[in-house]
Amino acid sequence: GNSVTQMEGPVTLSEEAFLTINCTYTATGYPSLFWYVQYPGEGLQLLLKATKADDKGSNKGFEATYRKETTSFHLEKGSVQVSDSAVYFCALSDGFGAGGTSYGKLTFGQGTILTVHP
Amino acid sequence: EAGVVQSPRYKIIEKKQPVAFWCNPISGHNTLYWYLQNLGQGPELLIRYENEEAVDDSQLPKDRFSAERLKGVDSTLKIQPAELGDSAVYLCASSLELISGGASNEQFFGPGTRLTVL
Repeated sequence: GNSVTQMEGPVTLSEEAFLTINCTYTATGYPSLFWYVQYPGEGLQLLLKATKADDKGSNKGFEATYRKETTSFHLEKGSVQVSDSAVYFCALSDGFGAGGTSYGKLTFGQGTILTVHP
Repeated sequence: EAGVVQSPRYKIIEKKQPVAFWCNPISGHNTLYWYLQNLGQGPELLIRYENEEAVDDSQLPKDRFSAERLKGVDSTLKIQPAELGDSAVYLCASSLELISGGASNEQFFGPGTRLTVL
């Protein structure tokens, strides 16, 4: 079955530091890949996505590249801010297919807590 | 545009009691999801509806959990009776899935209901 593995956390950084959160996946076929963010007291929000190999998703200074050869989708940001403190989830979706119950189902990693200090 | 609405936000009950959660998806979204999120883990799909039809309920513990989406809009998830291990956050999400296929569309999440079973 599908699975997503994220780097162990939590991650603590100083403001303006470089961020990398590793994510690797196992899936059949050609999944879509996502990063979701969960701020304290709020619901999950889509941060960025990539739907095919070599695609780069980007948003709010965050980037991730869909690497099929290494089955990875690492999240990066060049300069983090205190407001980036949140829990980050890597996820994959089988997306659409010819039938099957995995249609649209998201499989999440365990999440990585990021804390950024001033 | 209003997001996914869930209620209640918090619920504390004693074991063996019944409990119900309600979700109102984003207007026009045909697909609705219920996820279970245990502490320190990523969400796991419980059930997915396309309109009023449950198309993936393979992860729903049917001995005590039930769900309905009678008119293809809002949905209720019920647990009867609740057990200590059911303490978790229950997330609802919705999306507009295209029949024509392609990459999975974005799922929008509600804030969740935090259940504590004593």
